[in-house]
Parts: sequence; structure tokens; C-alpha cells
Amino acid sequence: DADVTQTPRNRITKTGKRIMLECSQTKGHDRMYWYRQDPGLGLQLIYYSFDVKDINKGEISDGYSVSRQAQAKFSLSLESAIPNQTALYFCATSDSGISYGYTFGSGTRLTVV
Amino acid sequence: QKEVEQDPGPLSVPEGAIVSLNCTYSNSAFQYFMWYRQYSRKGPELLMYTYSSGNKEDGRFTAQVDKSSKYISLFIRDSQPSDSATYLCAMTSVNAGGTSYGKLTFGQGTILTVHP
Repeated sequence: DADVTQTPRNRITKTGKRIMLECSQTKGHDRMYWYRQDPGLGLQLIYYSFDVKDINKGEISDGYSVSRQAQAKFSLSLESAIPNQTALYFCATSDSGISYGYTFGSGTRLTVV
Repeated sequence: QKEVEQDPGPLSVPEGAIVSLNCTYSNSAFQYFMWYRQYSRKGPELLMYTYSSGNKEDGRFTAQVDKSSKYISLFIRDSQPSDSATYLCAMTSVNAGGTSYGKLTFGQGTILTVHP
């Protein structure tokens, strides 16, 4: 099994719909992140969580919300999806004692029509 | 202006060529510098990291950091078709105790194709 699992892998949804992307990890890491990737823009941080009770906004949090249900689970919600949220979404984890070691999931390709 | 700038390419080279990938940055607080490789339909994977200035070599890959110029590079020698991927630079700062602030700032990624 993958260390960081994202579901679903692909999703097409309609404008205005609420959608949740889920992430679970078996690394035992305390820190979890949500990024989106767009062509030419690289990875942009949406939200991050350093432990279950610590959640912080990233660069582009507008239109998104998150929930850290447990140390191993971090979900991202789009309350009312819009077409410019069409992107590749990645969940990542890291250990607080290591400054460079992100482990990424395989991504969720989201299309909002 | 973005904190980290990376030429998105695309870059196409013949097998066996030396590849040079580069990033510039503006935040002098960055201390850890990383290169991630991302294959199509996959998440990024850590390729190499360096702390502060200097060089680091791992097989065909060499990472260089020049903090005075705020410039980092990744060199790939004897490039192979299997090196075809998107390469992302990333960097982060640390606090006084040496613990990471945790958030990585990424470049835009360079798409590399090595053709046989």
C-alpha cells in the first residue's frame, strides 16, 4: 500500500457542487499539507496542519476548507466548486524533525465543468 | 514576483547529454534546498537536498547552491530517457533551533524530455 493515499484519483464535478478530497497516510508523520498544481505555476500551498489541533491557511486558501480528522487523515473540501479550481491536487506529509522530506500522494485530478 | 523562479522549459535533449536545471530565489532565509522529480500522473519524489551553500553529488546527479547569488542548480550527467520528467526545485527556512518551519516553496517546474 502507498504511504500517502489520495481518493478519488479522478473526479469530474459541476459548478456549485460541494466536493471532498481525502488523504490518509501510514508514515506516522505529524505534518500534512494540501497543494494544487497548475501548468506553469508549480505547486501552491492551500492549507497545512502541523498536528490535529493546528490548521493553517496557505497561499491560496480562498474557496477551500480542510479537516484533520486524525493524525493520519486530512481532507480538503471545495464548498462550491468553480471552473478555475480545475487542477491537480496533492496531499503531502512530513516529519517535524526533518526539513526536506515531503512524501506526496499520487494526486487527484479534479475537473469542474 | 514569485519567491522562487524556475524556467518551465520544456527542455528536450538527446540521450547522453548533460542537463542543467536552475532556480533563482529572493528569500535569503531559505536554508534547505531540494530537487523533486515528478513523473507523469505521479506525485513528486525527493531526488536530492542540500543544506546551505555547496555541492552534493549522487550518482549522475549534482546539486549546487550559491546562496550569495540566490541561485541553485541541478546537473544530470549522461542523461537517460528514464530521466524524462518534470523537475521541481523547492526550498524552506528553519527556525533558530534548526527545526523546519515545514512549508516548502516550490518553483514552477521544468519539463525535461530525453530522447533516444
